[in-house]
Amino acid sequence: DTAVSQTPKYLVTQMGNDKSIKCEQNLGHDTMYWYKQDSKKFLKIMFSYNNKELIINETVPNRFSPKSPDKAHLNLHINSLELGDSAVYFCASSRNPRTDMNTEAFFGQGTRLTVV
Amino acid sequence: AQSVSQHNHHVILSEAASLELGCNYSYGGTVNLFWYVQYPGQHLQLLLKYFSGDPLVKGIKGFEAEFIKSKFSFNLRKPSVQWSDTAEYFCAVSVYGSSNTGKLIFGQGTTLQVKP
Repeated sequence: DTAVSQTPKYLVTQMGNDKSIKCEQNLGHDTMYWYKQDSKKFLKIMFSYNNKELIINETVPNRFSPKSPDKAHLNLHINSLELGDSAVYFCASSRNPRTDMNTEAFFGQGTRLTVV
Repeated sequence: AQSVSQHNHHVILSEAASLELGCNYSYGGTVNLFWYVQYPGQHLQLLLKYFSGDPLVKGIKGFEAEFIKSKFSFNLRKPSVQWSDTAEYFCAVSVYGSSNTGKLIFGQGTTLQVKP
């Protein structure tokens, strides 16, 4: 069973379109994250949710909007896609780090987004 | 601001050679330390982690790392690499006691190429 699963794995779309990436975890974790890996493979956090509540919101354009319908799901919606949004987006989950310091993040397989 | 620095961007080794990848972080408070590996086209997998206790930690596939608090370092080692170790290696730190608790801060990654 896949612990953290993302769909789709690949996404090619034109500039200006709106797209969503879905993420689900079956680990029973309270906290979920979105990370972006750029073309130089640098990874940076975008958002973190704990039990549907936004707790980390890095400096990310407003075109990016996370949605967490329940604690097992964290979707990422991107409006008006730009060329610079091309990257690999990783979803991750962990136990709540605010109550459990010794927790590690489990990552999904990534979604490679290409904006043309 | 917290940061993580990996000393080597691209390392090329022959099989059976020893490996050491450097990682330093800048943060004076409580941290957890991780090494993740990303095989070509795959997701991030946890190699090993340090939360507390023995500063020498052992991970999967024969990897180990040593936490030296005075040097703010967490270097990754393997006595004898294999061709299958060819991958991207990321050092990461999570900090506590702030609004960003649980956030992983990644180094820029090291590409390891092992020649058969």
